[in-house]
Amino acid sequence: EVQLVESGGGLVQPGGSLRLSCAASGFTFSNYNMKWVRQAPGKGLEWVSYISSSSSNIYYADSVKGRFTTSRDNAKKSLYLQMNSLRDEDTAVYYCARSLVVAARLQGMDVWGQGTTVTVSS
Amino acid sequence: DIQMTQSPSSVSASVGDRVTITCRASQGISTNLAWYQQKPGKVTKLLIYAASSLQSGVPSRFSGSVSGTDFTLAISSLQPEDFATYYCQQANSFPFTFGGGTKVEIK
Repeated sequence: EVQLVESGGGLVQPGGSLRLSCAASGFTFSNYNMKWVRQAPGKGLEWVSYISSSSSNIYYADSVKGRFTTSRDNAKKSLYLQMNSLRDEDTAVYYCARSLVVAARLQGMDVWGQGTTVTVSS
Repeated sequence: DIQMTQSPSSVSASVGDRVTITCRASQGISTNLAWYQQKPGKVTKLLIYAASSLQSGVPSRFSGSVSGTDFTLAISSLQPEDFATYYCQQANSFPFTFGGGTKVEIK
C-alpha cells in the first residue's frame, strides 16, 4: 500500500525549532518529487515547500523562506522539514505529499499523509 | 505569485444535486490545475489534475473543465460521501497556491 506517515509534531515555544519527518512506503521514493503543505486551524491549505527527487531543486513559500529547510534521504525513504525560528502563525497541521508528474510537468499531489500537528505557543 | 480565487466558499446541496465550484487564476496557468477533496479525519484526495483529467479511482460523477483562467469542478449527482471541502491548486509556477476552499454541506 502506498503510504506517507508524518511524525515529529508537538508543542514548541515561539523562536524554537522542530524537525518533522515523513516516512514513505509502497513506492519507489527516490523516483518522486515531494512537497510539504500545511493547514492552520480552521483555515485552508497552504503550500510550504517542494523538493525534487534528487534534491537538486528546492523551493519554499515566502512565509517560511529562510526559516524552514526541506531535505530528504532516499536511502531511508524519508522526507524532512527542519523548522527554525517558529512563530505563532506556523501553528498548523503539516502534511507531506507526493508530486504527480504528467508529461514532464508537475500536476498536483496524488498521495498525502495524515499530517502531524505543530503548535507554537508560550 | 498567482492568486486563486475560489467560489463559493460554501454551498448547501441535496443528494442528487449537481454542484459546481469555480476557481479563477489571477494570470494564465494553461491547464496546470488540480482539485482535491478533504474530509475530517481522512487523507486528502486528488480528484482532478491537468484541469480535466480524472485521477484513477475517482468516480466519473466528478469532472473538471477550463475556460481561459476560469476552472470548474462539477459533481454531476451529489452522493452522501461527497460532503466535504474542496480545494483547487495551480501547478503552473511556484509557489503552488491553493484556492480558499469550498465546503459542500447537506441541505
